Amino acid sequence: AQSVSQHNHHVILSEAASLELGCNYSYGGTVNLFWYVQYPGQHLQLLLKYFSGDPLVKGIKGFEAEFIKSKFSFNLRKPSVQWSDTAEYFCAVTRGRGSTLGRLYFGRGTQLTVWP
Amino acid sequence: EAGVVQSPRYKIIEKKQPVAFWCNPISGHNTLYWYLQNLGQGPELLIRYENEEAVDDSQLPKDRFSAERLKGVDSTLKIQPAELGDSAVYLCASSPGIAGGPSYNEQFFGPGTRLTVL
Repeated sequence: AQSVSQHNHHVILSEAASLELGCNYSYGGTVNLFWYVQYPGQHLQLLLKYFSGDPLVKGIKGFEAEFIKSKFSFNLRKPSVQWSDTAEYFCAVTRGRGSTLGRLYFGRGTQLTVWP
Repeated sequence: EAGVVQSPRYKIIEKKQPVAFWCNPISGHNTLYWYLQNLGQGPELLIRYENEEAVDDSQLPKDRFSAERLKGVDSTLKIQPAELGDSAVYLCASSPGIAGGPSYNEQFFGPGTRLTVL
């Protein structure tokens, strides 16, 4: 089945630890890739996106993600997390063409808890 | 710039009752989306509008769900009758341009409506 997989459902880190959240997708062809974040009590907001070009994408708040086409992956990284990064993180994919163009396919999310 | 506005934020109803959700997208955004988010899951698309036309509604359960976007601005999503399994968060999002077009960029989400069906 076509899907977006986030392997970690809950990650717990101490402040200043490094973060990597895994995301794999199973769609062939051209895809656009996104990471969204939902802070407690807030709505979903875009963290970063990849459409084309440099596969290493930098987003807000020091986050970055690397698109590895051969591995169908788009992992999110941050070298040093802060308590304020506590949130739920969603990986999402849109397909480059076809009847579902523009439809975001989401992973089930990873809850990140950062201890001060 | 005002974000996507949704109302109500919370709704509690008994099963078999009707319910409606309202969404006002960001001004100038042509494309509007309704997503369903079950507990512990990522959002799933119900319907996508480009202006007033529903261009992707294949995942909308049409026996009980309906949606409209009159005049290509605000949108309403309705459930009639509601079932216990409809308890979830209903998200509205909008984006500038149309998917695949030159100004298509990202989807901006509203705060959602949390529906509880008793």
